[in-house]
Amino acid sequence: SSELTQPPSVSVSPGQTASITCSGDKLGNQYVCWYQQKPGQSPEVVIYQDTKRPSGIPERFSGSNSGNTATLTISGTQAMDEADYYCQVWDSNTVVFGGGTKLTVL
Amino acid sequence: QLQLQESGPGLVKPSETLSLSCTVSGGSISSNTYFWGWIRQPPGKGLEWIGNIYYSGSTYYNPSLKSRVTISVNTSKNQFSLKLISATATDTAVYYCARTPYSYDRGVVWYMDVWGKGTTVTVSS
Repeated sequence: SSELTQPPSVSVSPGQTASITCSGDKLGNQYVCWYQQKPGQSPEVVIYQDTKRPSGIPERFSGSNSGNTATLTISGTQAMDEADYYCQVWDSNTVVFGGGTKLTVL
Repeated sequence: QLQLQESGPGLVKPSETLSLSCTVSGGSISSNTYFWGWIRQPPGKGLEWIGNIYYSGSTYYNPSLKSRVTISVNTSKNQFSLKLISATATDTAVYYCARTPYSYDRGVVWYMDVWGKGTTVTVSS
């Protein structure tokens, strides 16, 4: 099954664009979703099926997936976006999570 | 609005069985478009998928846990449950239940769209 690699941490200034990557062999052949998890809270899906935003998720969240890398992009990052982010795929009848990326907005 | 609520003992002794239930409210567990699953998160660590079940009883499990895990469903109670045998300290985690809307669109679309608040389980004597 897939192994998904994320950078442990990403830093961004308020108002700038944050990019969080998720790498895996032939990842572009699978649908990727992304979860946001704030301290003490349950994860929340912010992107599914590579590029789709659930109802209620701000437009500043977008996703892409091609080749071996999927990317979560947060445009005009706000302080409230500081959180852990996890990518996830379905592969060979199993769910695989990336290790998670801590996004710091400073 | 659909809600999921985990319940079960917060403390389990080593070698004993960890048992949790997830009660679904605001919707039916018997819907044919959803799977229901368990995910855990050890303290300070990332998410780990445990497994999923369909209302008919079909299951998928994490290969690394499969020998110790059983997920079952009780449609009359609108609940699904997790049993993890031979618990050790490494099973200490926050356990979440979640709903997965299953679909196929040139590939399997699989993500968790509704999560419970999570319940902390500590394995210790």
